[in-house]
Parts: sequence; structure tokens; C-alpha cells
Amino acid sequence: GAGVSQSPSNKVTEKGKDVELRCDPISGHTALYWYRQSLGQGLEFLIYFQGNSAPDKSGLPSDRFSAERTGGSVSTLTIQRTQQEDSAVYLCASSLLGGGGRVAKNIQYFGAGTRLSVL
Amino acid sequence: AQSVSQHNHHVILSEAASLELGCNYSYGGTVNLFWYVQYPGQHLQLLLKYFSGDPLVKGIKGFEAEFIKSKFSFNLRKPSVQWSDTAEYFCAVNLGGSQGNLIFGKGTKLSVKP
Repeated sequence: GAGVSQSPSNKVTEKGKDVELRCDPISGHTALYWYRQSLGQGLEFLIYFQGNSAPDKSGLPSDRFSAERTGGSVSTLTIQRTQQEDSAVYLCASSLLGGGGRVAKNIQYFGAGTRLSVL
Repeated sequence: AQSVSQHNHHVILSEAASLELGCNYSYGGTVNLFWYVQYPGQHLQLLLKYFSGDPLVKGIKGFEAEFIKSKFSFNLRKPSVQWSDTAEYFCAVNLGGSQGNLIFGKGTKLSVKP
């Protein structure tokens, strides 16, 4: 696609429910990143994928958070047993890194985000 | 831990005023530097970037930023702001050569009065 696509754009859920957030990166981008944007916290890194593997999961706040990427493309961020403090905008970014064997600069392009509200 | 500081939380200017937003980072090694902008209701967009070479970089919409290595700074400037520049501005750092994540400042909200 032309840009990073995220769905849904808005998600309202009840405390304790599981949610899945989807990211479709720019075609051909090998790296994919998840961030969280919340009031007072700015943008926090969650997890990064290179291809289908996740070299860095250090930003995931708890074991309720997980993510996967399949086929080197679409990624899903799953939050289990949601809590009110999980309410935030979840942003996905992608970057062309080493695609096709080339060395490329880490320039990240962002999607519009998913606004998650946990009631 | 590495961090990025943006000095101003909210800046209010009149149209045609000059703008400078501060950004400092804490990392002694090579860095790649970015400014992103988020207009109301829109997603984060890349404004400009620095990887190497001329420390004065020019971006879209008349913005520029200067990398001063000795001061660990990457301040954003614009000689004359417009109402349409009203947005939130984020400074971000990627540790040099890294494929990993960006470290963001907390953002500066710019309000331009017409």
C-alpha cells in the first residue's frame, strides 16, 4: 500500500477483555515497530520486528502484551486481560532495512494508530 | 538509559514570528536524528532527518535543524511560522547504525495565532 495501515482506528473494550491490533506496513519494508502514545508519557517503544523475528521486545510493559508478524508483512499486537492503564494510541511504523540485500537507512514511517479505550 | 529532552512543552507564537524548538539527547556515540510533526487529527510525519554530513539539514515546509555534536543538540528552526504550523513536534534519536527503535522526546505543542 501507499502507507502504513492500522486497524481498527478506534477500539473500545471492557476491562479484562483481550484485544488485537493490526498493522500492515509499507510494501517491501522489512522492519516493523510498535509504539504506544499516551498522555504524559510521550511515545514509548514496545517491540521491533526484522522480518518475522523480534530482536527487541524490551519495551513490552508486561506479559499481557505480545506481538507476532507473519510472512514478513502484517503484524498483530495482542493485549490480554486489558487494564485501564492500557488506554493509549498504539502506533505502528515500518522501515526499509536491508531489503533486497541493500543497506538502507532506518527511516520510520508511521501509521495513523489505533486509539484503544479500556472502560 | 538514553533519553531525549525537549525543553518546551507548549509554545505560543504569532504568525511571522521565528521559531526555535530545543532538543537534547544523552548518548555519547553516533546518532541519527529526526524531527517528526503531528498535525491535529493526523498521523506522525517526518519533517527532517540527519544521518551524516552537513550538520544543517533542511526539511519540508521551510523547517531546518542544526546538529551540534558538542552540545548533544538538534534544535528545530523556522524563520517565519504560519498558522498552519500549529501541531505537535517530536524530536527522536536512533542510536547510530542501529536498526532498532527511535527514542522520542515528550513533544512540544506549537500554537500559532493568526
